[in-house]
Amino acid sequence: KQEVTQIPAALSVPEGENLVLNCSFTDSAIYNLQWFRQDPGKGLTSLLLIQSSQREQTSGRLNASLDKSSGRSTLYIAASQPGDSATYLCAGRGGSGGSYIPTFGRGTSLIVHP
Amino acid sequence: SQTIHQWPATLVQPVGSPLSLECTVEGTSNPNLYWYRQAAGRGLQLLFYSVGIGQISSEVPQNLSASRPQDRQFILSSKKLLLSDSGFYLCAFTPEATEAFFGQGTRLTVV
Repeated sequence: KQEVTQIPAALSVPEGENLVLNCSFTDSAIYNLQWFRQDPGKGLTSLLLIQSSQREQTSGRLNASLDKSSGRSTLYIAASQPGDSATYLCAGRGGSGGSYIPTFGRGTSLIVHP
Repeated sequence: SQTIHQWPATLVQPVGSPLSLECTVEGTSNPNLYWYRQAAGRGLQLLFYSVGIGQISSEVPQNLSASRPQDRQFILSSKKLLLSDSGFYLCAFTPEATEAFFGQGTRLTVV
């Protein structure tokens, strides 16, 4: 069964910093990995999806990478802004057991202060 | 386009009362459907998932049940709510083997 871990659990940075959020998974037979953003009391907004055949995806100031061999994905946020403050979740789908249920980490709570 | 609707957004219910949360999907057919619960400060816990009409799998035995009466409709129910059922409930779907889409969630408070 796929297990997903995210570190750090919380992060507080000044505006303008480049930062990296980490996500690790246990089964390298992952089908895809998706990064989400969650604002307080809201649902999940999809940020980036990386298929198993891809190494990275980019959207604006966000870049996500996937390394199946090491069981890691990173979300890179360039030039952080206060509006980036939110919880970031990663979810892995698929594994050796054949399940395609999205399995989530506990998230990284990000605060970007002015 | 593919969309998901989940309601209500907020719900306050007394202990022992029934529950019905509804989720509908548009723009796709035969999606996989999911109900998750998110407790304060914790990750998303998978409650139920469905790969087709009438096919429901439960991940965690508890006071809740799920049904899929139509291809794009997923319902979460309880006959008698407990205080421990309070939380943030999220419905999601995956159109075949692509990205997951989430509803806006229901904040349930059992009093």
